[in-house]
Amino acid sequence: GESVGLHLPTLSVQEGDNSIINCAYSNSASDYFIWYKQESGKGPQFIIDIRSNMDKRQGQRVTVLLNKTVKHLSLQIAATQPGDSAVYFCAENNRDDKIIFGKGTRLHILP
Amino acid sequence: KAGVTQTPRYLIKTRGQQVTLSCSPISGHRSVSWYQQTPGQGLQFLFEYFSETQRNKGNFPGRFSGRQFSNSRSEMNVSTLELGDSALYLCASSLGSSPLHFGNGTRLTVT
Repeated sequence: GESVGLHLPTLSVQEGDNSIINCAYSNSASDYFIWYKQESGKGPQFIIDIRSNMDKRQGQRVTVLLNKTVKHLSLQIAATQPGDSAVYFCAENNRDDKIIFGKGTRLHILP
Repeated sequence: KAGVTQTPRYLIKTRGQQVTLSCSPISGHRSVSWYQQTPGQGLQFLFEYFSETQRNKGNFPGRFSGRQFSNSRSEMNVSTLELGDSALYLCASSLGSSPLHFGNGTRLTVT
């Protein structure tokens, strides 16, 4: 079915450490994946995306990895900062052009 | 460039009433999507409009409807409100196959 889920609902990370947020997707026909960050009181904000013909993409302090064999997506945030505290959503664009979101992972930064 | 604007920011309605939410997309974006966000269900796709036509629809009852105007602005309407319709309603616009750009949402409370 069309479902995108998260392995962990809450992730606590020490400031300065790297964060890894995981996501599993079920639709093998999905060809485009996106990570969003949502801060309190705001709408989701685009972080980084990746197409199914790639397995890795890097941005500024963020890296997305795609493993199509096991239908797994991850977001790595380097040198986590207090401003990274938010809920992170993975989303997939299936072949029907619907963007389906996962339930989200809350990233908590420890001082 | 101005972002996606949603009005009103907050809304309180009683059961049985109807409500209309408004969304102004980023200038030049012709696709507008609507999502319902609740703590239990996460972000759920309502519908997508492109060039005044509904291009895609989620699994919501007919009480939820929308439309798009020639200037790409969009409205969504919920009739016969139920307590379970209390949620954050998010609008997002996009240009072609670009990622969704979200507004900060309308918080609807049904009492």
